[in-house]
Amino acid sequence: AQSVTQLDSHVSVSEGTPVLLRCNYSSSYSPSLFWYVQHPNKGLQLLLKYTSAATLVKGINGFEAEFKKSETSFHLTKPSAHMSDAAEYFCVVSDRGRDDKIIFGKGTRLHILP
Amino acid sequence: DAGVIQSPRHEVTEMGQEVTLRCKPISGHNSLFWYRQTMMRGLELLIYFNNNVPIDDSGMPEDRFSAKMPNASFSTLKIQPSEPRDSAVYFCASSLVGADIQYFGAGTRLSVL
Repeated sequence: AQSVTQLDSHVSVSEGTPVLLRCNYSSSYSPSLFWYVQHPNKGLQLLLKYTSAATLVKGINGFEAEFKKSETSFHLTKPSAHMSDAAEYFCVVSDRGRDDKIIFGKGTRLHILP
Repeated sequence: DAGVIQSPRHEVTEMGQEVTLRCKPISGHNSLFWYRQTMMRGLELLIYFNNNVPIDDSGMPEDRFSAKMPNASFSTLKIQPSEPRDSAVYFCASSLVGADIQYFGAGTRLSVL
Protein backbone atom coordinates (compact mmCIF):
# COMPACT_ATOMS: atom_id res chain seq x y z
CA ALA A 1 0.00 0.00 0.00
CA GLN A 2 1.13 3.51 -0.70
CA SER A 3 1.21 6.42 1.68
CA VAL A 4 2.71 9.87 1.90
CA THR A 5 3.55 11.93 4.98
CA GLN A 6 4.29 15.62 4.98
CA LEU A 7 6.15 16.20 8.18
CA ASP A 8 5.20 19.83 8.74
CA SER A 9 1.75 21.35 8.42
CA HIS A 10 3.20 24.90 8.50
CA VAL A 11 6.64 26.26 7.64
CA SER A 12 7.71 29.89 8.03
CA VAL A 13 10.84 31.32 6.46
CA SER A 14 12.13 34.81 5.85
CA GLU A 15 12.27 36.16 2.34
CA GLY A 16 15.62 35.37 0.77
CA THR A 17 16.33 32.35 2.99
CA PRO A 18 16.21 28.69 1.95
CA VAL A 19 13.01 26.66 1.90
CA LEU A 20 12.75 23.01 2.93
CA LEU A 21 9.43 21.16 2.83
CA ARG A 22 9.68 17.57 3.95
CA CYS A 23 7.92 14.55 2.52
CA ASN A 24 8.28 10.84 3.23
CA TYR A 25 6.54 8.16 1.23
CA SER A 26 5.80 4.48 1.39
CA SER A 27 5.26 2.35 -1.69
CA SER A 28 5.48 -1.31 -2.57
CA TYR A 29 6.56 -0.46 -6.10
CA SER A 30 8.72 2.14 -7.75
CA PRO A 31 6.43 5.12 -7.47
CA SER A 32 6.13 8.37 -9.29
CA LEU A 33 6.42 11.31 -6.91
CA PHE A 34 5.17 14.84 -7.35
CA TRP A 35 4.91 18.19 -5.70
CA TYR A 36 1.91 20.38 -6.39
CA VAL A 37 1.42 23.97 -5.28
CA GLN A 38 -1.85 25.67 -4.44
CA HIS A 39 -1.92 29.45 -4.23
CA PRO A 40 -4.77 31.06 -2.29
CA ASN A 41 -8.15 30.58 -3.95
CA LYS A 42 -6.61 28.65 -6.83
CA GLY A 43 -6.50 25.06 -7.99
CA LEU A 44 -3.45 22.84 -7.63
CA GLN A 45 -0.63 23.23 -10.11
CA LEU A 46 2.16 20.75 -10.81
CA LEU A 47 5.56 21.95 -9.54
CA LEU A 48 7.68 18.94 -10.46
CA LYS A 49 7.63 15.21 -11.02
CA TYR A 50 10.05 12.36 -10.31
CA THR A 51 9.92 9.21 -12.43
CA SER A 52 13.31 7.57 -11.83
CA ALA A 53 15.22 9.24 -14.64
CA ALA A 54 17.24 11.39 -12.23
CA THR A 55 17.18 11.67 -8.46
CA LEU A 56 17.36 15.47 -8.46
CA VAL A 57 14.35 16.99 -10.17
CA LYS A 58 14.04 20.62 -11.11
CA GLY A 59 10.66 22.26 -11.21
CA ILE A 60 9.14 25.62 -11.90
CA ASN A 61 9.88 28.82 -9.97
CA GLY A 62 13.31 27.64 -8.80
CA PHE A 63 12.07 24.67 -6.79
CA GLU A 64 13.74 21.29 -6.85
CA ALA A 65 13.33 17.98 -5.06
CA GLU A 66 15.66 15.10 -4.39
CA PHE A 67 14.53 11.48 -4.37
CA LYS A 68 16.33 9.46 -1.70
CA LYS A 69 15.29 5.84 -1.84
CA SER A 70 17.27 4.83 1.25
CA GLU A 71 15.41 7.45 3.28
CA THR A 72 12.10 7.12 1.39
CA SER A 73 12.08 10.88 1.15
CA PHE A 74 11.26 13.43 -1.51
CA HIS A 75 11.92 16.79 0.11
CA LEU A 76 11.22 20.04 -1.73
CA THR A 77 13.79 22.85 -1.58
CA LYS A 78 14.42 26.31 -2.92
CA PRO A 79 17.62 28.29 -2.27
CA SER A 80 15.97 31.67 -1.72
CA ALA A 81 12.33 32.22 -0.81
CA HIS A 82 10.23 34.88 -2.49
CA MET A 83 7.03 36.41 -1.19
CA SER A 84 5.17 34.87 -4.11
CA ASP A 85 6.09 31.39 -2.84
CA ALA A 86 3.57 31.71 -0.02
CA ALA A 87 1.14 28.88 -0.75
CA GLU A 88 0.22 25.35 0.22
CA TYR A 89 2.37 22.52 -1.10
CA PHE A 90 1.26 18.94 -1.59
CA CYS A 91 3.48 15.89 -1.92
CA VAL A 92 1.90 13.16 -4.02
CA VAL A 93 2.75 9.51 -4.65
CA SER A 94 1.31 7.74 -7.65
CA ASP A 95 1.33 4.25 -9.04
CA ARG A 96 -1.26 4.54 -11.77
CA GLY A 97 0.58 1.95 -13.80
CA ARG A 98 -0.20 -0.76 -11.24
CA ASP A 99 -3.02 -0.21 -8.77
CA ASP A 100 -4.21 3.09 -10.20
CA LYS A 101 -3.78 4.97 -6.94
CA ILE A 102 -2.78 8.57 -6.46
CA ILE A 103 -2.24 9.62 -2.84
CA PHE A 104 -2.02 13.26 -1.74
CA GLY A 105 -0.27 14.36 1.41
CA LYS A 106 -2.05 16.60 3.91
CA GLY A 107 -0.22 19.66 2.66
CA THR A 108 2.33 22.10 4.07
CA ARG A 109 1.46 25.76 4.24
CA LEU A 110 4.49 27.91 3.51
CA HIS A 111 4.58 31.38 5.07
CA ILE A 112 7.12 33.93 3.88
CA LEU A 113 8.14 36.57 6.40
CA PRO A 114 9.24 39.98 5.07
CA ASP B 1 -6.53 24.91 -24.22
CA ALA B 2 -8.75 26.49 -21.57
CA GLY B 3 -7.84 23.93 -18.93
CA VAL B 4 -10.32 22.24 -16.63
CA ILE B 5 -13.40 24.38 -16.25
CA GLN B 6 -15.59 24.24 -13.19
CA SER B 7 -18.86 26.01 -12.55
CA PRO B 8 -20.05 27.74 -10.58
CA ARG B 9 -17.02 29.24 -8.83
CA HIS B 10 -19.05 30.00 -5.76
CA GLU B 11 -22.30 28.51 -4.53
CA VAL B 12 -24.26 29.52 -1.48
CA THR B 13 -27.32 27.50 -0.64
CA GLU B 14 -29.54 26.59 2.25
CA MET B 15 -29.53 23.31 4.07
CA GLY B 16 -31.77 20.76 2.37
CA GLN B 17 -31.38 22.18 -1.11
CA GLU B 18 -29.94 20.27 -4.05
CA VAL B 19 -26.56 21.40 -5.30
CA THR B 20 -25.02 20.52 -8.66
CA LEU B 21 -21.38 21.19 -9.44
CA ARG B 22 -20.14 20.97 -13.00
CA CYS B 23 -16.84 20.14 -14.63
CA LYS B 24 -15.51 20.19 -18.15
CA PRO B 25 -12.20 18.32 -18.44
CA ILE B 26 -9.37 19.15 -20.79
CA SER B 27 -10.20 17.98 -24.30
CA GLY B 28 -8.68 14.57 -24.96
CA HIS B 29 -8.33 13.66 -21.30
CA ASN B 30 -10.20 10.50 -20.35
CA SER B 31 -9.74 10.36 -16.58
CA LEU B 32 -11.70 12.70 -14.34
CA PHE B 33 -11.42 13.17 -10.60
CA TRP B 34 -13.58 14.91 -8.01
CA TYR B 35 -11.93 16.12 -4.80
CA ARG B 36 -13.16 17.91 -1.71
CA GLN B 37 -10.92 20.21 0.32
CA THR B 38 -11.59 21.39 3.87
CA MET B 39 -9.40 22.81 6.58
CA MET B 40 -10.09 19.87 8.85
CA ARG B 41 -9.65 16.98 6.41
CA GLY B 42 -7.42 18.43 3.71
CA LEU B 43 -7.79 17.19 0.14
CA GLU B 44 -9.96 14.08 -0.25
CA LEU B 45 -10.58 12.10 -3.43
CA LEU B 46 -14.31 11.52 -3.75
CA ILE B 47 -14.60 9.61 -7.01
CA TYR B 48 -12.83 9.15 -10.33
CA PHE B 49 -13.83 8.05 -13.79
CA ASN B 50 -11.88 6.41 -16.60
CA ASN B 51 -13.48 6.69 -20.04
CA ASN B 52 -16.70 7.96 -18.42
CA VAL B 53 -16.98 4.90 -16.15
CA PRO B 54 -16.78 5.33 -12.37
CA ILE B 55 -13.78 3.36 -11.15
CA ASP B 56 -13.53 4.17 -7.47
CA ASP B 57 -16.24 5.94 -5.50
CA SER B 58 -15.06 4.83 -2.07
CA GLY B 59 -14.41 8.42 -1.12
CA MET B 60 -17.99 9.55 -1.61
CA PRO B 61 -19.14 10.42 1.90
CA GLU B 62 -22.68 9.07 1.77
CA ASP B 63 -25.68 8.49 -0.42
CA ARG B 64 -26.45 12.17 -0.56
CA PHE B 65 -23.53 12.51 -2.96
CA SER B 66 -23.69 11.29 -6.55
CA ALA B 67 -21.52 11.87 -9.60
CA LYS B 68 -22.12 11.28 -13.27
CA MET B 69 -20.13 11.55 -16.43
CA PRO B 70 -22.56 11.29 -19.34
CA ASN B 71 -19.88 12.00 -21.93
CA ALA B 72 -16.18 12.66 -22.23
CA SER B 73 -16.52 16.41 -21.90
CA PHE B 74 -18.83 16.83 -18.91
CA SER B 75 -19.28 15.63 -15.36
CA THR B 76 -21.50 16.59 -12.47
CA LEU B 77 -21.29 16.15 -8.73
CA LYS B 78 -24.65 16.40 -7.01
CA ILE B 79 -25.46 16.74 -3.32
CA GLN B 80 -29.07 16.13 -2.34
CA PRO B 81 -30.01 17.19 0.28
CA SER B 82 -27.13 19.46 1.19
CA GLU B 83 -25.97 19.94 4.78
CA PRO B 84 -23.76 22.59 6.41
CA ARG B 85 -20.96 20.04 6.84
CA ASP B 86 -20.76 19.77 3.05
CA SER B 87 -19.32 23.29 2.95
CA ALA B 88 -15.93 22.98 1.26
CA VAL B 89 -14.05 23.68 -1.93
CA TYR B 90 -14.71 21.03 -4.55
CA PHE B 91 -12.08 20.46 -7.22
CA CYS B 92 -12.28 18.64 -10.48
CA ALA B 93 -9.13 17.35 -12.17
CA SER B 94 -8.47 15.52 -15.42
CA SER B 95 -5.71 13.45 -16.94
CA LEU B 96 -5.06 10.77 -19.50
CA VAL B 97 -5.89 7.22 -18.34
CA GLY B 98 -2.80 5.74 -16.74
CA ALA B 99 -0.99 9.06 -16.69
CA ASP B 100 -0.19 10.44 -13.30
CA ILE B 101 -0.15 14.18 -13.83
CA GLN B 102 -3.52 15.71 -13.04
CA TYR B 103 -4.69 19.12 -14.14
CA PHE B 104 -6.94 20.90 -11.70
CA GLY B 105 -9.77 23.32 -12.16
CA ALA B 106 -10.05 26.45 -10.06
CA GLY B 107 -12.60 24.83 -7.77
CA THR B 108 -16.14 25.54 -6.59
CA ARG B 109 -16.46 27.04 -3.13
CA LEU B 110 -19.68 25.69 -1.62
CA SER B 111 -21.29 27.21 1.43
CA VAL B 112 -24.35 25.50 2.88
CA LEU B 113 -26.13 27.66 5.43
